[in-house]
Amino acid sequence: GAVVSQHPSRVICKSGTSVKIECRSLDFQATTMFWYRQFPKQSLMLMATSNEGSKATYEQGVEKDKFLINHASLTLSTLTVTSAHPEDSSFYICSAPSTPQTQYFGPGTRLLVL
Amino acid sequence: SQKIEQNSEALNIQEGKTATLTCNYTNYSPAYLQWYRQDPGRGPVFLLLIRENEKEKRKERLKVTFDTTLKQSLFHITASQPADSATYLCALDRTGANNLFFGTGTRLTVIP
Repeated sequence: GAVVSQHPSRVICKSGTSVKIECRSLDFQATTMFWYRQFPKQSLMLMATSNEGSKATYEQGVEKDKFLINHASLTLSTLTVTSAHPEDSSFYICSAPSTPQTQYFGPGTRLLVL
Repeated sequence: SQKIEQNSEALNIQEGKTATLTCNYTNYSPAYLQWYRQDPGRGPVFLLLIRENEKEKRKERLKVTFDTTLKQSLFHITASQPADSATYLCALDRTGANNLFFGTGTRLTVIP
């Protein structure tokens, strides 16, 4: 079945640094990928839609200059959290649709900003 | 505003019984609804999709119903097992472009 991977699985960084998270579709191509954020005991909240070859589309309230998204190829999207602060600590999950109505999610990246 | 609510944050059930989870939505007219399973520290895993013109869908021990009049979906796990313990999420496609909006989730615990 379709597989989506994320790297790293967890990262700890100091406040003010930038962190890059990779999302790869391993056995299918994805012109669109999605980035979600999940705080403890809360549901997934869509942050942005990553589009291959064009700019990402951000949800209301998500700062595009803080969460930089690059969809460089049909199998890779990256999310960079710039100048991370403790409130950015969260579980970041990407997904990619392998069929028009089915999405496959990555295993998630746990970010802790000290 | 658009909202998706799942009936309870947590549900405990005895092994072998049927677990029933509820998903209610407002201010949507979705063409389809999806259910996912999420284990702690992991990404969601797709389980079932049901379309607006389908009343019921089954997959092994899972059954989903979709009532567009009530704006409600029910998710059933029959003959529940401890391995079914997880958080179950319902999700709607807001724009028709796989732009998923998730419910609050129900954490199911199946007690041996």
